[in-house]
Amino acid sequence: ETVLTQSPATLSVSPGESATVSCRASQSVKSNVAWYQQKPAQAPRLLIYAASTRAPGIPVRFSGSGSGTEFTLTISSLQSEDFAIYYCQHYNNWPSFTFGQGTILDMK
Amino acid sequence: EVQLVESGGGLVQPGRSLRLSCSASGFTFDDYPMHWVRQAPGKGLEWVSGISWNSGTIGYAASVKGRFTISRDNAQKSLSLQMNSLRLEDSAIYYCVKEGQFLSAYFFDYWGQGTRVTVSS
Repeated sequence: ETVLTQSPATLSVSPGESATVSCRASQSVKSNVAWYQQKPAQAPRLLIYAASTRAPGIPVRFSGSGSGTEFTLTISSLQSEDFAIYYCQHYNNWPSFTFGQGTILDMK
Repeated sequence: EVQLVESGGGLVQPGRSLRLSCSASGFTFDDYPMHWVRQAPGKGLEWVSGISWNSGTIGYAASVKGRFTISRDNAQKSLSLQMNSLRLEDSAIYYCVKEGQFLSAYFFDYWGQGTRVTVSS
């Protein structure tokens, strides 16, 4: 089973700056990584799938990159509503899925 | 508009059973695999179980295998999770999730608001 490791665990950034979250897979997952945002008391929301494709309605300041074992989620020009927890996700042998442990993005 | 509405959560004693349901609307339900994902208090996301569009392929996380049973009724556009022999560590918010697919990538494109399950004596 592929394990996803996110870093850092917590990221403190000021509004207007950029933030980068990393996700490392224990073995190659090609480009099959998705990213989710979760705000307090809300369900997660899909941001990015297939490593770099934005989901419908997601602002262009969210971008994803990577392939193989290294992936990044970058949020440029942080807005107040972007401070949340971010998770990466991959599927193992369908229908088994795995998530990273999450990265807390908080306001500096 | 896609909507997933969970129900059936509540407080239950260890060792007892609970059945969660999810009512789907706004998309062709029988075209898509569906899943349950849970989140324990203050913890991350954990995939629990998934089922293919025709119920032909079903999978479970190791932590629930043999205790939980997923099922779907395409005519009723509903997804269920029968949870038996509940443990304290099963306490979580349970989300009903629709799967999306793009080429060889699989992901969760729509989530319900979740139903809370608390296992406590």
